[in-house]
Amino acid sequence: VQLVESGGGLVKPGGSLRLSCAASGFTLSDYYMIWIRQAPGKGLEWVSYISGSGHTKNYADSVRGRFTISRDNAKNSLYLQMDSLKVEDTAAYFCARSDRTAYPKPIYYYGMDVWGQGTTVTVSS
Amino acid sequence: QSVLTQPPSASGTPEQRVTISCSGSGSNIGSNHVYWYQQLPRTAPKLLIYRNDQRPSGVPDRFSGSKSGTSASLAISGLRSEDEGDYYCASWDGSLSGPVFGGGTKLTVL
Repeated sequence: VQLVESGGGLVKPGGSLRLSCAASGFTLSDYYMIWIRQAPGKGLEWVSYISGSGHTKNYADSVRGRFTISRDNAKNSLYLQMDSLKVEDTAAYFCARSDRTAYPKPIYYYGMDVWGQGTTVTVSS
Repeated sequence: QSVLTQPPSASGTPEQRVTISCSGSGSNIGSNHVYWYQQLPRTAPKLLIYRNDQRPSGVPDRFSGSKSGTSASLAISGLRSEDEGDYYCASWDGSLSGPVFGGGTKLTVL
């Protein structure tokens, strides 16, 4: 079971970036998936989650309206489209597997049990 | 400011027992399970405790979790130098409809 993020990099304020998370070793469509970020020297912050089918999504207030989460289960991939980037979006971004979609909410039993190694996003002029 | 409150630091000597607290409210810890994550230097977080007091396979029984009301705690017994790192509590928040984290506790083994 493995998650591998990619797509991070240096971008100017107002720019866009698309992160990807490749999943292997499990059936992606069975699970909620979550993006979490960690600013340099800071703690963990939830960004967005999506249900197994993709029909249910939610975003943290800090990114709502600017970020879009999506998934392609056939390609075993999770995505995070980040637009109108701000300096304060600078962080390491982790994707994580959460509970099975059959559970009533994304964090219900095992929680976020598998994490990727992270990809770094730097927003700077 | 994090939704869940943890002490910023904790320390102990080898073989000692240390505890890390996590305080929340009725919308998160009070009505949902608590999870603990270990983040060693320059690595991704790793699930340490799920559903308040359950250990995933491979996590030593030196690590234990508990929850009471709107608070939880992580205990580490037989402290080792390799336990040095950051520890985060997490829960679901029904009001925010999303996961919430503590600010993290930096554990130092003296």
